Amino acid sequence: LAKTTQPISMDSYEGQEVNITCSHNNIATNDYITWYQQFPSQGPRFIIQGYKTKVTNEVASLFIPADRKSSTLSLPRVSLSDTAVYYCLVGDIVGNFNKFYFGSGTKLNVKP
Amino acid sequence: GAVVSQHPSWVICKSGTSVKIECRSLDFQATTMFWYRQFPKQSLMLMATSNEGSKATYEQGVEKDKFLINHASLTLSTLTVTSAHPEDSSFYICSASAPSGTSTDTQYFGPGTRLTVL
Repeated sequence: LAKTTQPISMDSYEGQEVNITCSHNNIATNDYITWYQQFPSQGPRFIIQGYKTKVTNEVASLFIPADRKSSTLSLPRVSLSDTAVYYCLVGDIVGNFNKFYFGSGTKLNVKP
Repeated sequence: GAVVSQHPSWVICKSGTSVKIECRSLDFQATTMFWYRQFPKQSLMLMATSNEGSKATYEQGVEKDKFLINHASLTLSTLTVTSAHPEDSSFYICSASAPSGTSTDTQYFGPGTRLTVL
């Protein structure tokens, strides 16, 4: 039931900027877009959340075009410790809940 | 940010026994908590949604009598795997929904519990 599509994997080198794009063609009007990072044997860690245009925090930027059918997570100057799986999720409001159905995520491999 | 804990972090049990996993929101009240299961090299699979003071809502294909969920307070939800079998061995992760000031609550995840059934 995942509502998002991401590349399965990406490779990068230390110091580079990495952009991971996610497709969510059927995003609902009230849905927000949330990105998480997961290391092996750990729970996902919240990175950033947005609704439209651009959001920036201390670790990443999130770019959302006007039609909201996609979003791009931008990680500036990645390091080896950024090697992880990155998940893009859209809020699925069912009743009073916001359920998340995880897709496959993007495995980012940062090389020295 | 909001902190969610889980206990235990790992557990090994014999086939046929029951195991309880706790999920706590440490610095916020969570009216809604979620339970996920993750097999090796796979994504997270939503098992159920837990609301304080009411029955949990289970996803299709998840046995509610096998995975008992209790959300007794605004900071604690428990998942009990009853009569565990080796195929129940997995990484169980909870999350708690915390208002982020937007119309969509943000989910914060616990560190996970590794269950191994012998």
